[in-house]
Amino acid sequence: GAVVSQHPSRVICKSGTSVKIECRSLDFQATTMFWYRQFPKQSLMLMATSNEGSKATYEQGVEKDKFLINHASLTLSTLTVTSAHPEDSSFYICSAKPLAGAYFEQYFGPGTRLTVT
Amino acid sequence: KQEVTQIPAALSVPEGENLVLNCSFTDSAIYNLQWFRQDPGKGLTSLLLIQSSQREQTSGRLNASLDKSSGRSTLYIAASQPGDSATYLCAVVDGSSNTGKLIFGQGTTLQVKP
Repeated sequence: GAVVSQHPSRVICKSGTSVKIECRSLDFQATTMFWYRQFPKQSLMLMATSNEGSKATYEQGVEKDKFLINHASLTLSTLTVTSAHPEDSSFYICSAKPLAGAYFEQYFGPGTRLTVT
Repeated sequence: KQEVTQIPAALSVPEGENLVLNCSFTDSAIYNLQWFRQDPGKGLTSLLLIQSSQREQTSGRLNASLDKSSGRSTLYIAASQPGDSATYLCAVVDGSSNTGKLIFGQGTTLQVKP
């Protein structure tokens, strides 16, 4: 149980285009999902906290108009990278907190490798 | 602001050795601390979670300790195997968080040589 999927696993897009990444909790409901970014040989940096039915909370330095987050249901959150540039190339990982779980419980997706050419 | 630091950044050991990975955090007011494993290009696998009231957790060849007052945790791996080669991340849920968000260290990349 407690499986989180991400789609796509890899995506290559051209500079200036937008790309959407999906994060799904497959066997549980999640009111909260987190989006992280990981640059090569660096740690995970939290970008934003996504709450079902409300606006996402962005970490300092993360542009909310560039990284659009939608959490329209209890099992799906999407991250859209708008007008992507090569510096947005990174590994994006989501995690989901079960609705019925303990305060600290969250499960990670397998990540999405974004390459902007 | 909570900061998490891991040392060393990289470690290479021969198979069979016991080893210790270190993690420190600047603010001792945490809810819990977790150790994760990440294989190249993959997501995270949770290894051990230590609640703030606990001192250690064990799973198989892994033992994690927590000294909250000094802001330190260690991950002990016994009888290392080549399959243990991966990046190990520690992360804390800060005590000021109301969302349970994790703050990660930079990771220690472990290579176990056959």
